Amino acid sequence: ETGVTQTPRHLVMGMTNKKSLKCEQHLGHNAMYWYKQSAKKPLELMFVYSLEERVENNSVPSRFSPECPNSSHLFLHLHTLQPEDSALYLCASSRDQRTTGELFFGEGSRLTVL
Amino acid sequence: DQQVKQNSPSLSVQEGRISILNCDYTNSMFDYFLWYKKYPAEGPTFLISISSIKDKNEDGRFTVFLNKSAKHLSLHIVPSQPGDSAVYFCAAMNYGGSQGNLIFGKGTKLSVKP
Repeated sequence: ETGVTQTPRHLVMGMTNKKSLKCEQHLGHNAMYWYKQSAKKPLELMFVYSLEERVENNSVPSRFSPECPNSSHLFLHLHTLQPEDSALYLCASSRDQRTTGELFFGEGSRLTVL
Repeated sequence: DQQVKQNSPSLSVQEGRISILNCDYTNSMFDYFLWYKKYPAEGPTFLISISSIKDKNEDGRFTVFLNKSAKHLSLHIVPSQPGDSAVYFCAAMNYGGSQGNLIFGKGTKLSVKP
């Protein structure tokens, strides 16, 4: 059983919809991340939260809006997406933001934008 | 421009033989390197790491070699097993930085044939 759980696993939405991706970690970690994996591209970091504060935002369009209500939960709110936003969205956590230990990933949410 | 490159999108190896996955990087500030493994429909999982103060790190059947002068690292799997079939991602970061600075390659899909 993974320590990082993502829901939903699959999501299909229209360009005018509003939806949210949810991530929950059961590892007691203090840092959480959203990554995007598009076809034939490297994993791209989108957002980093450390102790519930956003510490990095890699120039992500405002149609992606993260929320971290506590150290165990992370959301990615989606609004007015484009078809090119279709990708696998991965949540990850780590003990803290500056650990050189590994990231623990969830299974991902496969998003399709029609 | 990609800072971490995995130039082989795929590799096929016979069971019992050695698998060698390669990774090149361009940023001389990188001093900590990790390999992640990803099965279909699962998130990446940490496999092995190496610091730039070492040139080799071994964990069971997995060994990572680092050649700093060539800015090259490789992952050796000996002997290869069918269960090793997965996509392998190389990642690099600056030790003094944050996990948010972890840069991934595009991945190499390894197929181990029985």
